[in-house]
Amino acid sequence: AQSVAQPEDQVNVAEGNPLTVKCTYSVSGNPYLFWYVQYPNRGLQFLLKYITGDNLVKGSYGFEAEFNKSQTSFHLKKPSALVSDSALYFCAVRDGVDYGQNFVFGPGTRLSVLP
Amino acid sequence: SAVISQKPSRDICQRGTSLTIQCQVDSQVTMMFWYRQQPGQSLTLIATANQGSEATYESGFVIDKFPISRPNLTFSTLTVSNMSPEDSSIYLCSVEEDSTDTQYFGPGTRLTVL
Repeated sequence: AQSVAQPEDQVNVAEGNPLTVKCTYSVSGNPYLFWYVQYPNRGLQFLLKYITGDNLVKGSYGFEAEFNKSQTSFHLKKPSALVSDSALYFCAVRDGVDYGQNFVFGPGTRLSVLP
Repeated sequence: SAVISQKPSRDICQRGTSLTIQCQVDSQVTMMFWYRQQPGQSLTLIATANQGSEATYESGFVIDKFPISRPNLTFSTLTVSNMSPEDSSIYLCSVEEDSTDTQYFGPGTRLTVL
């Protein structure tokens, strides 16, 4: 069975500074990894995903994430944070081999970008 | 990416009543999902709804409490039956695009049970 950990409940960063939101995963087969963002009173918005190929994937709003197989991590990054990036971020994983397994979402990390 | 709408966006209901939430997607998809989310918390999968078959419920969720319909490839409903205050939550519909292995989410339905 797969699982996702987001070790930080809350991340605070000053506007203009780089940000990192951490995610580690466990999956039996090939990992399909995803990041979603949720703004207040909104549904989840897809940011980016890793299926195969280049370990560094780029997504919406200037975000990127790096797949690290040896560390089983998929950390979300952005070079320069904006106040508008403040939101709840979810990492998710599914097993790319066993399609009978559903998506598993992490507990979420609340990002606060301070002006 | 798929565009998903949900109705109603929010509702306040009395204990013992039922509410049906509608989910409409702008393209045909095989797999649709219903999740529950407490504000600020992670998502809990209620069930998977595939057209032409019975919904598959996760542990802790039963059809009598959460009946689901999936009449075609663009529409699904979730009913929350015989509601109690513990059912107060955000209910999210999602779809998995057949070509991209990615789930997309509707805006959610915020339910409050008094």
